[in-house]
Amino acid sequence: SQTIHQWPATLVQPVGSPLSLECTVEGTSNPNLYWYRQAAGRGLQLLFYSIGIDQISSEVPQNLSASRPQDRQFILSSKKLLLSDSGFYLCAWSDRGNSPLHFGNGTRLTVT
Amino acid sequence: AQKVTQAQTEISVVEKEDVTLDCVYETRDTTYYLFWYKQPPSGELVFLIRRNSFDEQNEISGRYSWNFQKSTSSFNFTITASQVVDSAVYFCALSEAVKNSGGYNKLIFGAGTRLAVHP
Repeated sequence: SQTIHQWPATLVQPVGSPLSLECTVEGTSNPNLYWYRQAAGRGLQLLFYSIGIDQISSEVPQNLSASRPQDRQFILSSKKLLLSDSGFYLCAWSDRGNSPLHFGNGTRLTVT
Repeated sequence: AQKVTQAQTEISVVEKEDVTLDCVYETRDTTYYLFWYKQPPSGELVFLIRRNSFDEQNEISGRYSWNFQKSTSSFNFTITASQVVDSAVYFCALSEAVKNSGGYNKLIFGAGTRLAVHP
């Protein structure tokens, strides 16, 4: 069966520091991969999606970037964090088409 | 543009009550999919159901049921005999085809409804 791993679970980083969140999927190949952010008490905002290695699309202009160096690995990065980057970050995968998204457990990021 | 509206921000019920979570959507696509997800306090999103636009048959899964009505663009979710473990934020979502993406569809989520079930 397919599983998705996301780490770390929580992270506290000072403003201006770099960020790297990692997500890996097991048990499937060539998945669609996604990064979502959920600000406190709010809905889900799609940040990036990827339909293949090195194929990344950004949904909103921001301080973050994403990379997919391997088929089942998706990384969210920032060179310099801002206070507004605080939030709950969720990685997800899906099969092609209108398949459901399956989410990781999320990373709670606090920028101080 | 596609849009999902969950007008109920928060709902509070007492255990064993029935509760309905509303979801209204807007789309120009003739073929689309609708989803419901549950986000318990632990944070992960749990997939509950997917329904395509050609299937208006209501679905029941245990205490959960879904009412899809194309005429009113609604996909409502009812929990019968609610339990404390049902306390969570529930999200409705609509799939949107992304042009020139090779068949990629992305999900548009509603703002979510926070359900609190009290003993």
